[in-house]
Amino acid sequence: AQSVTQLDSHVSVSEGTPVLLRCNYSSSYSPSLFWYVQHPNKGLQLLLKYTSAATLVKGINGFEAEFKKSETSFHLTKPSAHMSDAAEYFCVVSDLQGGKLIFGQGTELSVKP
Amino acid sequence: EAQVTQNPRYLITVTGKKLTVTCSQNMNHEYMSWYRQDPGLGLRQIYYSMNVEVTDKGDVPEGYKVSRKEKRNFPLILESPSPNQTSLYFCASSPYGALLGYTFGSGTRLTVV
Repeated sequence: AQSVTQLDSHVSVSEGTPVLLRCNYSSSYSPSLFWYVQHPNKGLQLLLKYTSAATLVKGINGFEAEFKKSETSFHLTKPSAHMSDAAEYFCVVSDLQGGKLIFGQGTELSVKP
Repeated sequence: EAQVTQNPRYLITVTGKKLTVTCSQNMNHEYMSWYRQDPGLGLRQIYYSMNVEVTDKGDVPEGYKVSRKEKRNFPLILESPSPNQTSLYFCASSPYGALLGYTFGSGTRLTVV
């Protein structure tokens, strides 16, 4: 069965410093992986996706993630945090059964001035 | 604009009073799905549909019903709501199931008292 673990429930950074949100996955096949962002009182927005093409995936707003099969990881990074990046971030893995997405528990990112 | 539209955005109801949350997409997507979001649990799939008249249970289907009579609409029905169904609900659609990700609606915050 597919599963995803976000290693930090909360991450706090200063504006202008790098962001690292960690995600490990478990899958019995080569999965699709995603990062979604949820701003307060908003819906879910797709940041980026990995679908077995390039292992370094670039997304919106300067975010990127690297798929590392040997480490079963898909960490999200950004070189320089902005105040508007404060939100909750979900690492997500696809499940072939039921066309389902399996969500991690989320990482709340705080950005200090 | 391509989007998934849910209504209402906010709903407070009493235990046992039947309610329907509507969901409509304008992208001609085959797959549609409902998720609920609860603190610390991420998002969990309630029901999904692969096409008109084809629906199946997700991980937490108890207490919910769905129907897919038209491709664009996928309403979520709570026949007899209970307080444990208080949650944030998201509808989502996708052209190819989970492999390329889903587009999410803005969410419906339901409170059952």
